[in-house]
Amino acid sequence: EIVLTQSPGTLSLSPGERATLSCRASQSVSSSSLAWYQQRPGQSPTLLIYGASTRAADIPDRFSGSGSGSDFTLTISSLEPEDFGVYYCHQSGTSPRTFGQGTKLEIK
Amino acid sequence: QVHLVQSGAEVRRPGASVKVSCRTSGYMFTSYGIHWVRQAPGQRLEWMSWIDGTGFIKYSQSFQGRLTVSRDTSATTVYMELSSLRSEDTAVYYCARSVPWLQIDYWGQGSLVTVSS
Repeated sequence: EIVLTQSPGTLSLSPGERATLSCRASQSVSSSSLAWYQQRPGQSPTLLIYGASTRAADIPDRFSGSGSGSDFTLTISSLEPEDFGVYYCHQSGTSPRTFGQGTKLEIK
Repeated sequence: QVHLVQSGAEVRRPGASVKVSCRTSGYMFTSYGIHWVRQAPGQRLEWMSWIDGTGFIKYSQSFQGRLTVSRDTSATTVYMELSSLRSEDTAVYYCARSVPWLQIDYWGQGSLVTVSS
């Protein structure tokens, strides 16, 4: 199965700062099958980015995704207080679907 | 508006079974599939199974033999039954919607299953 490894494990930043989250796959992943989710404590995941770079409906344009092959990045250009939570990457192109272990984003 | 509403929290003894339901609404039920994904405390999300719009089912090998997914098309509801429960099965279980090979776009609210003697 494809193992997704996210870094860093935890990110602590202030509002207005830029956040860069990484997702590395153990083998090549089709860009069309790479997605990013935000999960706030006690809530279900919310789709942010799909197809590696397409924002989901109602997602602010401060969120952007990039990458291809085995390296993908989620960037939040200017952090807002509500951006805290755990962010997961997910690949759906090879069975079984797999998720990264998450990056916890803390807002100072 | 798409909704996936799951059944409530359950407590089971080791060796027992649990059945969780996922009632869907707001979209054409047979045009999308439903996944079951679980999240144990402090762990990453783990994919368990997929039932597509035709009723075809695929299981993760990690759960082969213990997991049964079914559906009631008339009730637009999908069910997940996990048997021979052990303490490591304590987790929040989510149902989630997608089309084949593409992103999950909607998630249920999650159902906490606690396995404890």
